Amino acid sequence: AQSVAQPEDQVNVAEGNPLTVKCTYSVSGNPYLFWYVQYPNRGLQFLLKYITGDNLVKGSYGFEAEFNKSQTSFHLKKPSALVSDSALYFCAVRDDQGGKLIFGQGTELSVKP
Amino acid sequence: NAGVTQTPKFRILKIGQSMTLQCAQDMNHNYMYWYRQDPGMGLKLIYYSVGAGITDKGEVPNGYNVSRSTTEDFPLRLELAAPSQTSVYFCASSYRPTGSEPQHFGDGTRLSIL
Repeated sequence: AQSVAQPEDQVNVAEGNPLTVKCTYSVSGNPYLFWYVQYPNRGLQFLLKYITGDNLVKGSYGFEAEFNKSQTSFHLKKPSALVSDSALYFCAVRDDQGGKLIFGQGTELSVKP
Repeated sequence: NAGVTQTPKFRILKIGQSMTLQCAQDMNHNYMYWYRQDPGMGLKLIYYSVGAGITDKGEVPNGYNVSRSTTEDFPLRLELAAPSQTSVYFCASSYRPTGSEPQHFGDGTRLSIL
């Protein structure tokens, strides 16, 4: 069965510092991995996705994600955080056998000036 | 571009009342989904549809019904509202249901059952 875990409910970062939001997954085949961002009172917005190929994926708003097959992880990163990055971030996984998209529980990112 | 549009944005219901949450997409996507979001629980799939006239249950379908008479619309109905259905409901759509295709989300309906 597919599963995805975001081990941190909240991440606090100072503006200008690098940020990491963690995600680990479990699928039976090859994974398709996604990061979404949710701003207050809005829906989820697609940030980036991993298919196969480069282990470092670049997405919207300066975010990137690092895929690590041996650690079954897909951590979201940004070199320099902005206050406007404060939001709820969701990792999601789908297997290559036609399975449903499974979401993690979300990580609240707070960037302080 | 409108994308996925959900109405209403907010609603308060009394226990036992019924209502329909509306969802429409203008991207000609065949696949549509309804999720509920509860704090700390991520998103749970309620129902999904692979095209007009075809729907199927997701992870948490009890207490809900759906229909899909057109490609554009995918309404979610609550027949007898219960406090456990207090949640934020999101509709999403995608061109394909598999692989690397991302889903596109509406802004949600915030529903309180009192």
